[in-house]
Amino acid sequence: ETGVTQTPRHLVMGMTNKKSLKCEQHLGHNAMYWYKQSAKKPLELMFVYSLEERVENNSVPSRFSPECPNSSHLFLHLHTLQPEDSALYLCASSPGVFGTSGSGETQYFGPGTRLLVL
Amino acid sequence: AQSVTQLDSQVPVFEEAPVELRCNYSSSVSVYLFWYVQYPNQGLQLLLKYLSGSTLVKGINGFEAEFNKSQTSFHLRKPSVHISDTAEYFCAVSALFQKLVFGTGTRLLVSP
Repeated sequence: ETGVTQTPRHLVMGMTNKKSLKCEQHLGHNAMYWYKQSAKKPLELMFVYSLEERVENNSVPSRFSPECPNSSHLFLHLHTLQPEDSALYLCASSPGVFGTSGSGETQYFGPGTRLLVL
Repeated sequence: AQSVTQLDSQVPVFEEAPVELRCNYSSSVSVYLFWYVQYPNQGLQLLLKYLSGSTLVKGINGFEAEFNKSQTSFHLRKPSVHISDTAEYFCAVSALFQKLVFGTGTRLLVSP
């Protein structure tokens, strides 16, 4: 596969469930990102990883727990979510982080996981 | 820190007509500018980017954008749109050592 892939594409979960979203990038990039996209709201940056180290955590509730085991894989572990957490969760990668790579931090996105919390 | 404004939340246009989607940014340093497109139920796809050099940037699907430093703008244009161009378009700005900041998006609605 090429580019950035995300699984699952759709997820329905109850508020007491635990689930994980997976992202994989095949671009050889060093930085990976999680975004939340809700209807009628701007794109929200959640987490940023650079070479497996978290470099940004934008006041995200602890019910969202990221994991980056290597520079190609990124997970978002979900537990005890609320209905307002229903959204499209997008993963992205870039050569470097914060415009350091010379590519202007060009980010490449996956197709997203559509999450519905009941 | 950078910021970006997309004043038009929605732009309706007829097929084969020209279109311009507006983007203005604010920054105290040199910027990198991007346009992304999002089709329904998909992720964001890079349309084009300005890093340096020529101020007129050509992208995929016949789109182009012009960097205007004096007006702090990076408007997206297409001379003739198709039904398939119906999507959400996001302008974004970053700078060296600064994170990427997205605008709120403009929905382009192309009708026959």
